[in-house]
Formats: sequence, C-alpha cells, structure tokens
Amino acid sequence: DAGVIQSPRHEVTEMGQEVTLRCKPISGHNSLFWYRQTMMRGLELLIYFNNNVPIDDSGMPEDRFSAKMPNASFSTLKIQPSEPRDSAVYFCASSRSWGVDEKLFFGSGTQLSVL
Amino acid sequence: AQKVTQAQTEISVVEKEDVTLDCVYETRDTTYYLFWYKQPPSGELVFLIRRNSFDEQNEISGRYSWNFQKSTSSFNFTITASQVVDSAVYFCALIQGGSEKLVFGKGTKLTVNP
Repeated sequence: DAGVIQSPRHEVTEMGQEVTLRCKPISGHNSLFWYRQTMMRGLELLIYFNNNVPIDDSGMPEDRFSAKMPNASFSTLKIQPSEPRDSAVYFCASSRSWGVDEKLFFGSGTQLSVL
Repeated sequence: AQKVTQAQTEISVVEKEDVTLDCVYETRDTTYYLFWYKQPPSGELVFLIRRNSFDEQNEISGRYSWNFQKSTSSFNFTITASQVVDSAVYFCALIQGGSEKLVFGKGTKLTVNP
C-alpha cells in the first residue's frame, strides 16, 4: 500500500495568493482528516470527512480556508487568500471507519511558507 | 471536553539511559482510546501504540513500554536503553468513544546524545 500521499511536499507562496494542498488517502479508508502543525499550537484538527462528507469543520480557522472531498480517493485544502500566519505543516490522515482496532495513518505533510 | 497534557517540552538524555515521557489526559467519557505517535526529524507521524480505556494492561514492545493508569489519567511511555535513533518528537493523543476527532498533546522533544 502506498500510504497517504500528499502534494506538494513544500509550497512557497506570496501573501494573497491561492494555495491548494492535495491528499490521496489509503484505498479502502473512508475517513479523511486535515491537520495543521505549528510551533505555537501544535497539531490541530482542521476538518474531517467520512464517506466524502464533511463531518466537523469547527477547526477551520476562518473563511479563507475550504476543503473538499469530491471522491473517495482525493481531497483538497484550499487557502484563499493566503497570509503569512498560515505558514505551517499541513498533514492529511486517513482511517477506516472507527472501530476497535483503528488508527490514523498520516501523510508526509506539506510544508507551507507564505511570504 | 478532551485534553492531553505532555508537561515535558524537551528531554535530553545520553545513549543507553532509560527515559519516560509523561502523558496526562482529560475526558468525561468512559470509553476512549489513547495513542502515541513518533515524529522523527524527517517530519512524518508514525503510529506507535493504541490502547482502549477498558484495557489497563501495560504493554512492552522491544525497548518500548507503556504504563496506562486510569486512576491517575496517565499513559506514560518509557524507552529503555535509549538510542540516537529514538531522537524525535513524541505525541500522546486521545479520542473519545463515538468520535473520530483525535486530540494531540503538544509533544515532547526527545534528544538522545551519543
């Protein structure tokens, strides 16, 4: 299994630009999560999907952030317009629906720098 | 509300020392799951262990061991005979039963010096 695949690994952009982060979950997993990691706030859950439906987006910081999951094998996290304070590592994770033995599998993350 | 506290921000040890990473959690649920993840310098998050609230048995996996105590709401992680490759940030995390929201502690950065 290829694991959770995120792209790009690194993104450098200028303030005001649109940024799109991409994620391919593990095949067969039907829950997908977007996390953000910063020094100040640690790992924060932004949003998660179950069977492609957004379940909880209470962690999305503001309207500049949006996430979609058009099908079971693809999700995007978009920031428009981006700001320097959005600089962070963004992780995507997936799991099967929660059960006795489940755990989250994480992608390698996207390091975002907004100048 | 659920919360995970890792009071140790950074720990530095010399190779072959034993080291314990502390984790204290808060939850109102009687059913919950606890995790430890490792984040090496390369940045990925690696699953180490999952434990459910009904299983207080301690677990040992090679040099790693975990001590789960509901009475003190703690789930501590011990590395025996530490090695340089153990240098990483270690995260404790909690998920309440019926939820899919995994809540992480702030992490403990472990540095093992040769």
